[in-house]
Amino acid sequence: EAQVTQNPRYLITVTGKKLTVTCSQNMNHEYMSWYRQDPGLGLRQIYYSMNVEVTDKGDVPEGYKVSRKEKRNFPLILESPSPNQTSLYFCASSPRQTQWGSYEQYFGPGTRLTVT
Amino acid sequence: AQSVAQPEDQVNVAEGNPLTVKCTYSVSGNPYLFWYVQYPNRGLQFLLKYITGDNLVKGSYGFEAEFNKSQTSFHLKKPSALVSDSALYFCAVRDPFNNQGGKLIFGQGTELSVKP
Repeated sequence: EAQVTQNPRYLITVTGKKLTVTCSQNMNHEYMSWYRQDPGLGLRQIYYSMNVEVTDKGDVPEGYKVSRKEKRNFPLILESPSPNQTSLYFCASSPRQTQWGSYEQYFGPGTRLTVT
Repeated sequence: AQSVAQPEDQVNVAEGNPLTVKCTYSVSGNPYLFWYVQYPNRGLQFLLKYITGDNLVKGSYGFEAEFNKSQTSFHLKKPSALVSDSALYFCAVRDPFNNQGGKLIFGQGTELSVKP
C-alpha cells in the first residue's frame, strides 16, 4: 500500500530533551516536506527536500533540523524542544512538481507533540 | 504574498442538504488549488484539485469545487451531505512559480458538522 508513515504518533517530552520524529514514504517520491498544524493557522511548512541531500527552510524553520540521506526517509529533529513547539506535525511527499502541472501531496497520519 | 482564506470556522448542515465550504485565495498568476479533508486522528486526505481547464472539478466522495477566477474563489460543494462528511476541511494553493518542494499554502480550516 502506498503510504507515508510517521513515528511516534504521540509524544510527550520535556523542554530541552532532543527528539526525532521519523518519516518514511514507499512511493519513490522526490519531494518531501514537514508541516505543523496549529489551531486557526492551518498547516505551515517547516522544511522541505527536493532530493537526497537537498533540503531547505520552509516558512517556520526555527528550532528544527532535517536530513535526507535516503530518498524514502526524512526525519524531523528538535535539538532542544520548547513549549511553543507543541503542535501536530505532518510529513508529506509528492512526485517532482513542474511549472506546468501539479501533483497532490500525500500526508502521513500526524505526530502530536507536547513539550512541557 | 500568497494566501488562502476560509472565512467560516464552522459550517453546520442537516443531512441530505447541500453543503458549501468557502475558500478564497490570493496568488499572483494562475494558481493550483486543492481541497483536503482531515478526519479525527487521521492525516490529510486529498479530495480534489484544479490545475487548468473546466472550472468545475469533481473529486472523491461526491465532492466538487468551482474555480472562479474573477472572484478568486474555489468553494467546495456537495449536493447532499452525509453525517460521515463531518470533518475538518482545508483549502490549499500552490504557487507554480515558487516551488519550495511543492509547498502548499493552507487556509485555517473549516469544521463541517452534518447533523442527522
